[in-house]
Amino acid sequence: DVKVTQSSRYLVKRTGEKVFLECVQDMDHENMFWYRQDPGLGLRLIYFSYDVKMKEKGDIPEGYSVSREKKERFSLILESASTNQTSMYLCASLRGGEQFFGPGTRLTVL
Amino acid sequence: DAKTTQPPSMDCAEGRAANLPCNHSTISGNEYVYWYRQIHSQGPQYIIHGLKNNETNEMASLIITEDRKSSTLILPHATLRDTAVYYCIVRVANNQGGKLIFGQGTELSVKP
Repeated sequence: DVKVTQSSRYLVKRTGEKVFLECVQDMDHENMFWYRQDPGLGLRLIYFSYDVKMKEKGDIPEGYSVSREKKERFSLILESASTNQTSMYLCASLRGGEQFFGPGTRLTVL
Repeated sequence: DAKTTQPPSMDCAEGRAANLPCNHSTISGNEYVYWYRQIHSQGPQYIIHGLKNNETNEMASLIITEDRKSSTLILPHATLRDTAVYYCIVRVANNQGGKLIFGQGTELSVKP
């Protein structure tokens, strides 16, 4: 079974902190994605990567950056967390046309 | 990018078939229809996808109209565990690394 894991299920940070959200997949997938999910807005794509050291902006990249140093790991970085970045963050990897999602990280920025 | 339209919510009795509709009237010839679902507090889960032929797997059946402008996901015998938000997604034609655009989905409530 494909497994996508995220470093934390719940995270509480303060405004201005630098936040790292880690995602690891164990199936050697090339494509990985970061989404955020908010009530009434559905899932929105932040960034994706189709290879090591490659990254592409999604629909809402502002305030975020990413890192893909190894194939299995895709990190989402909030350089200076703000309260409007309180959300559920979902990581996914892709095989063929099927995306496999992690369990999500619920981030609260105070 | 082709958009999809789904009803915001539906109810279904346990043991009955759940038929979830989706409109995608602007779909392009090389775009697939994908269905995912998201159970509360979990990440989305892939269900099924198709291009123009009907598809069936262990979870569901996908019926795509001949003109491909709409489709229906069928859960043949819904259980309480099928209560979830169901997303109908059309995959972008330029294949930006497999980017999927999620809409609002249909919240399916399966009732005893």
